[in-house]
Amino acid sequence: SAVISQKPSRDICQRGTSLTIQCQVDSQVTMMFWYRQQPGQSLTLIATANQGSEATYESGFVIDKFPISRPNLTFSTLTVSNMSPEDSSIYLCSVVDRGNGYTFGSGTRLTVV
Amino acid sequence: DQQVKQNSPSLSVQEGRISILNCDYTNSMFDYFLWYKKYPAEGPTFLISISSIKDKNEDGRFTVFLNKSAKHLSLHIVPSQPGDSAVYFCAANSNSGYALNFGKGTSLLVTP
Repeated sequence: SAVISQKPSRDICQRGTSLTIQCQVDSQVTMMFWYRQQPGQSLTLIATANQGSEATYESGFVIDKFPISRPNLTFSTLTVSNMSPEDSSIYLCSVVDRGNGYTFGSGTRLTVV
Repeated sequence: DQQVKQNSPSLSVQEGRISILNCDYTNSMFDYFLWYKKYPAEGPTFLISISSIKDKNEDGRFTVFLNKSAKHLSLHIVPSQPGDSAVYFCAANSNSGYALNFGKGTSLLVTP
């Protein structure tokens, strides 16, 4: 199955600042997904990142707040912009992995103070 | 609106016994269901899946049952082992897109 390296694993950030999360996959994949898990909640899809096109955002998520880059078929970044304490969550990237469902990165635990 | 529901936030089972984790869904368009296991500080790990054309899928100690009429699925772990202690997420997908809809998870504790 695909192996995803996600970093940073955790960070504590000041409100008003931005954090960029990186995901590197060990194989080429067409689509990468970014999820958020707020405390006590389920995982929620933020956006789908396709190489060579704009990311597709789910309802409630906007590009200005969560800009995404997808420069090639193995890499993507998610930026959490102008952070507030409500952005404190675990952020995860994911890819479709044939026969293995969706494979997830290890997650980034973000705390905004 | 939560389309996938795991109504039991936690479950405690003795080692060697059966663990049954339940999941309900509301969207009749869902046709693919997955279970994930998550340890602290790690991402979810795929465990087992089932397509809506089946009502049972088995993989070693793990079996998933799907009752489409009741919009209910369950994960059975037999026999349960202490290493199974983790949070289990139920997820569902429809063929109209790639988004996975997750439940809130059930924390399983298997005691020796």
